[in-house]
Amino acid sequence: KNQVEQSPQSLIILEGKNCTLQCNYTVSPFSNLRWYKQDTGRGPVSLTIMTFSENTKSNGRYTATLDADTKQSSLHITASQLSDSASYICVVSPDNYGQNFVFGPGTRLSVLP
Amino acid sequence: NAGVTQTPKFRILKIGQSMTLQCAQDMNHNYMYWYRQDPGMGLKLIYYSVGAGITDKGEVPNGYNVSRSTTEDFPLRLELAAPSQTSVYFCASSYSRTNEKLFFGSGTQLSVL
Repeated sequence: KNQVEQSPQSLIILEGKNCTLQCNYTVSPFSNLRWYKQDTGRGPVSLTIMTFSENTKSNGRYTATLDADTKQSSLHITASQLSDSASYICVVSPDNYGQNFVFGPGTRLSVLP
Repeated sequence: NAGVTQTPKFRILKIGQSMTLQCAQDMNHNYMYWYRQDPGMGLKLIYYSVGAGITDKGEVPNGYNVSRSTTEDFPLRLELAAPSQTSVYFCASSYSRTNEKLFFGSGTQLSVL
C-alpha cells in the first residue's frame, strides 16, 4: 500500500535554531515529492516540488533533499523564526495525476522565543 | 487575487441534515479537488474534477456529491450528515496535473452532532 510516514510527529525548537524533518515513503512508482507548510487554521502552502532527478531544492531558509533510492526526503529549516511554527506535510505522487497524491500526516513544529 | 475561496469557515450540523460547502477559484484552473483532513492523518481525497462537467470519485467519496458546472466553482454536497463526517474540508486547485503546485483554500471546519 502506498504510504507516507513523517517524523517526528511534533518538534519544539528555540528561535534561531536549525531543524530537520523526515519523510519516508513506500509510494511506487515515483513521480515527484512535495513539501507543504500548513499554518494553524489555514490550508497548506507549497514549499518545494522535487522530481526523481532532483536531489536538493531550496526555498529561502527551507531546503528539501530527496534520496529516491532509499525513498527518503528531509526538510531542513535554517535559522528558525517564530513564523515557522506550523505543520509540515510531505506529499508523494506516483504519477502526474493529482488525484493520486499520497499525503503524510505532517510534523507539527513549534518555534519558541 | 483571491485564489481559492471556501465558505463557510465553520459549521455545526445535526445528524441527518444536509449542506453544501462552497469552493471557488479565480485562477482559471482546470483541476479542482476536495480533501478531508482528520487529526493525525494525511489528507484524503473525496472528489476531483479535471474540468467543467467532469468529476470523479476519490478515495473516500461515500456520503458526498459534487458538481462542476463552471471552471470557477466546485461545490461539495453532504447529504444526511453523519458524525463520521466531522472533519476539516479543504478545496484545492491546479492549472494542470504535471508537477504543478496545488493551491488550497483556508478550509471548512465541520462538526456533526
